[in-house]
Amino acid sequence: EAQVTQNPRYLITVTGKKLTVTCSQNMNHEYMSWYRQDPGLGLRQIYYSMNVEVTDKGDVPEGYKVSRKEKRNFPLILESPSPNQTSLYFCASSSTVSTGTQYFGPGTRLTVL
Amino acid sequence: DAKTTQPNSMESNEEEPVHLPCNHSTISGTDYIHWYRQLPSQGPEYVIHGLTSNVNNRMASLAIAEDRKSSTLILHRATLRDAAVYYCILRDVYNAGNMLTFGGGTRLMVKP
Repeated sequence: EAQVTQNPRYLITVTGKKLTVTCSQNMNHEYMSWYRQDPGLGLRQIYYSMNVEVTDKGDVPEGYKVSRKEKRNFPLILESPSPNQTSLYFCASSSTVSTGTQYFGPGTRLTVL
Repeated sequence: DAKTTQPNSMESNEEEPVHLPCNHSTISGTDYIHWYRQLPSQGPEYVIHGLTSNVNNRMASLAIAEDRKSSTLILHRATLRDAAVYYCILRDVYNAGNMLTFGGGTRLMVKP
């Protein structure tokens, strides 16, 4: 089944403790991205990647890192999480950059205390 | 990307058609019209997209005005499972980041 998976689905952590949220897709998509969703602010893009070893900032990249060493994986790294990064995070992928439809993962609910 | 305007919420009865409107008066010639929906506790899900002509797929139909300043997503027979927030999004074909700018969307409630 074609899908985007994220792990963990739920995470409660403390300020400053490094964490990684994994994202994997099995559709051989070139493009992957990360969004965060907050009440009243909608979904905002954090980082995106057009292909292996190619990443770029979205609208709200501060406090996040990403890497794209393999086509199928696009982990989101929070080196020193802070409470304002408490949010619902979605990973997405698509096959074509310009007109492709995006497939979203199920989401990761992160709480930083 | 140009902005879209949608009603905050709409109600429908089960098994009746639903027409969800979207205004995008500042749309440019290279903007595709995308519709996504987000069911409770799930990630957004692609519904349909188009450029100029009306489009149909297994989930819905998209009717695009001749001047492209508005569009309507049509669910032919609403089911309880269609209760979700529906987002109308414009994406420039030259958008390098492939970013989807989600607005507030329309919350569709389906009554049995």
